[in-house]
Amino acid sequence: DTEVTQTPKHLVMGMTNKKSLKCEQHMGHRAMYWYKQKAKKPPELMFVYSYEKLSINESVPSRFSPECPNSSLLNLHLHALQPEDSALYLCASSQEALAGAQGKTQYFGPGTRLLVL
Amino acid sequence: GEDVEQSLFLSVREGDSSVINCTYTDSSSTYLYWYKQEPGAGLQLLTYIFSNMDMKQDQRLTVLLNKKDKHLSLRIADTQTGDSAIYFCALVSGNTPLVFGKGTRLSVIA
Repeated sequence: DTEVTQTPKHLVMGMTNKKSLKCEQHMGHRAMYWYKQKAKKPPELMFVYSYEKLSINESVPSRFSPECPNSSLLNLHLHALQPEDSALYLCASSQEALAGAQGKTQYFGPGTRLLVL
Repeated sequence: GEDVEQSLFLSVREGDSSVINCTYTDSSSTYLYWYKQEPGAGLQLLTYIFSNMDMKQDQRLTVLLNKKDKHLSLRIADTQTGDSAIYFCALVSGNTPLVFGKGTRLSVIA
């Protein structure tokens, strides 16, 4: 089973709201990732967690706050977002993040489509 | 850093073969991937190839790797309308995260 699940599928929020995106995998993977994808563009890496610790933050604004409560779960907390943050947010997981390349094969979830009004 | 290039569009007739090409700059790339993204969906891992291989075949999919020219291709035999999607080439080298190409939009004409 190579399934990564994400909830919600769609989210509409105002600029003053606080919301959270959730991601879950049960493949025993120890690395999890958040990506942002705008229309007709490739995914852009936001955060990498390795063994439940944040290992990469690609200079993401503080209005995005990741959290990894355990090895199967990854959250992305959203607060005071801007309309330009509207995008598809993708979660991915892999066996490892910083080990040999084989462990880096990433499996993606279906994404959360976020609209900020 | 790594630069990955793909042509943006490809149009083929149903039943024909599709060939999607990708070129890259970092010769130390070790794992090379093809992902498929249908409209409104996430990325589906189609196949991958290790840098010590030249070819990999998986049912209708054939991946060719030319390390000398830093060129990767994905051939889809007997292309169907369900193959219409965006195809991303992506690479891993060293300890860097996955690097994506811009994606090739494949349109299949019935």
